Amino acid sequence: DGGITQSPKYLFRKEGQNVTLSCEQNLNHDAMYWYRQDPGQGLRLIYYSQIVNDFQKGDIAEGYSVSREKKESFPLTVTSAQKNPTAFYLCASSDSRGNNEKLFFGSGTQLSVL
Amino acid sequence: EDQVTQSPEALRLQEGESSSLNCSYTVSGLRGLFWYRQDPGKGPEFLFTLYSAGEEKEKERLKATLTKKESFLHITAPKPEDSATYLCAVGAGGTSYGKLTFGQGTILTVHP
Repeated sequence: DGGITQSPKYLFRKEGQNVTLSCEQNLNHDAMYWYRQDPGQGLRLIYYSQIVNDFQKGDIAEGYSVSREKKESFPLTVTSAQKNPTAFYLCASSDSRGNNEKLFFGSGTQLSVL
Repeated sequence: EDQVTQSPEALRLQEGESSSLNCSYTVSGLRGLFWYRQDPGKGPEFLFTLYSAGEEKEKERLKATLTKKESFLHITAPKPEDSATYLCAVGAGGTSYGKLTFGQGTILTVHP
């Protein structure tokens, strides 16, 4: 079955530590996204990539970094510069062909600070 | 700046009690309005895309409608399994293609 796989499901970060969240898709989509979800707030865009080896900052990119070396993979690193990292992180992809902005989401990673 | 506001924040219904969720938006050039369903601890699941005022789409007990300023998600005779958070999002001309703006969601609880 085609879809988006995020891992791990739960992640704990110690102060001063960088952690990396994995996102893999087998939908053959060109575009991939990282969103952050906090209770009572809408999803906020962290980074997005519309093609391999290219990515753009979203609305809340500070303290985060990404890479897009393969079409299937878009890992997110939460750096020690992100002072409030506790949140639910969602990876998504879309088929950028035509006028289709419909997003397909993974099952999310809950990041907590120890 | 594109804005999306959903109301109410939470809605409690009895099984079979029909109601509507609202999504108001302020954007420059709507490309599309999207509805998603999200269960606790899971990623959002796509429901509908609406592109122009007057458009309607249906799926089982759900019906989505669109005007120039808002969208409604009508739930007819809901069942407990319809309990979830419903998210609204817009793609607009002022932002890059694929970059959606989300509302904060409506938490729907349907009691048996």
